[in-house]
Amino acid sequence: GQQLNQSPQSMFIQEGEDVSMNCTSSSIFNTWLWYKQDPGEGPVLLIALYKAGELTSNGRLTAQFGITRKDSFLNISASIPSDVGIYFCAGRLGGSQGNLIFGKGTKLSVKP
Amino acid sequence: EAGVTQSPTHLIKTRGQQATLRCSPISGHTSVYWYQQALGLGLQFLLWYDEGEERNRGNFPPRFSGRQFPNYSSELNVNALELEDSALYLCASSLGAREGETQYFGPGTRLLVL
Repeated sequence: GQQLNQSPQSMFIQEGEDVSMNCTSSSIFNTWLWYKQDPGEGPVLLIALYKAGELTSNGRLTAQFGITRKDSFLNISASIPSDVGIYFCAGRLGGSQGNLIFGKGTKLSVKP
Repeated sequence: EAGVTQSPTHLIKTRGQQATLRCSPISGHTSVYWYQQALGLGLQFLLWYDEGEERNRGNFPPRFSGRQFPNYSSELNVNALELEDSALYLCASSLGAREGETQYFGPGTRLLVL
């Protein structure tokens, strides 16, 4: 089945540093989404990408939909303690398969 | 505007029992998706309902089933519970089944099977 390879699996960074994570796939997706999940809660949508090459920002977050439609990255600038959590990428296939395929997550920990 | 709601928040069952989980989508959303998130793992797609019909199903056994009601709320049923069914079950909704419809998640139901 389809899989998303998300990296890194985890990272520790100093407050104020920039963070970068990415997802790659062997499948072509029509939509890429980035979610953040805090412990015991459901994922919260951060950024949605709908077109190949699209670059979208949401505050300190920037994400891009790869030209090949098989990859996406998420950057967080000037990280702060509340950025701690698990970040998931998700891709949606076209056609009848409306469900999302999720990466395994990147666990972000910030040193205060 | 209220987000996706799920009930109960926690559920404890024993092996062989049945569990019923409920989800209310965002007002105006017609599509409901169910995902399973086992401890430390990513989300695995279970079921997708739109306009009362099952549209797609993930790679799970038939004892995982569900339905969508006329008001677009949904129910996930898990029969003959097994220990490995212990997980966070997440429901998401979207405006419809068209391309590009973003999915918004509820807080989840944590199921523990003893």
